[in-house]
Amino acid sequence: GAVVSQHPSWVICKSGTSVKIECRSLDFQATTMFWYRQFPKQSLMLMATSNEGSKATYEQGVEKDKFLINHASLTLSTLTVTSAHPEDSSFYICSALNPGAGDTQYFGPGTRLTVL
Amino acid sequence: GENVEQHPSTLSVQEGDSAVIKCTYSDSASNYFPWYKQELGKRPQLIIDIRSNVGEKKDQRIAVTLNKTAKHFSLHITETQPEDSAVYFCAARRYSSASKIIFGSGTRLSIRP
Repeated sequence: GAVVSQHPSWVICKSGTSVKIECRSLDFQATTMFWYRQFPKQSLMLMATSNEGSKATYEQGVEKDKFLINHASLTLSTLTVTSAHPEDSSFYICSALNPGAGDTQYFGPGTRLTVL
Repeated sequence: GENVEQHPSTLSVQEGDSAVIKCTYSDSASNYFPWYKQELGKRPQLIIDIRSNVGEKKDQRIAVTLNKTAKHFSLHITETQPEDSAVYFCAARRYSSASKIIFGSGTRLSIRP
């Protein structure tokens, strides 16, 4: 089946630094990927829709200058958390649409970010 | 925009009994309704989905029903087993490959031995 990977699986960083998270579709090409954030014991909240070759579409309340998204190829989208603060600590999950599988979204394993 | 409400937030059932989780949605244009199971620290896994042209779908012990008129859909798990313990999320989306999925708030299901 379709596989989506994320790297790193976890990261700890100091406040004020930037962190880049990669999301890859391993066996299919994804023109659309999504980035979610999930706080403990809460649901997945959509942050932005990442479109290959164009600008990402951000959800209301998500700062586009803080959460930089780049979808430079059909198999890779990156999320960069700039000037991270402790309140950015969360579980970040990406998903990718497989055009060959109808409308099914495949989720990555997630990245746990801890900002000290 | 779409709003998906889910209840209950927690559910505890005896092993072997059935579990039912209910969701409502607000956007009448939504016509794809997936259900996900998420274990602690792991990715959501699609367990079943239903489209608006179908009222019910079943896959072994799992079934989903959809009432488009009332804008609600439900997940039914029969003969529950310990490995069914997890958080379950309902979701809704307009039928478009680029449309975003909106998740419900989740139900933490515990199966008592």
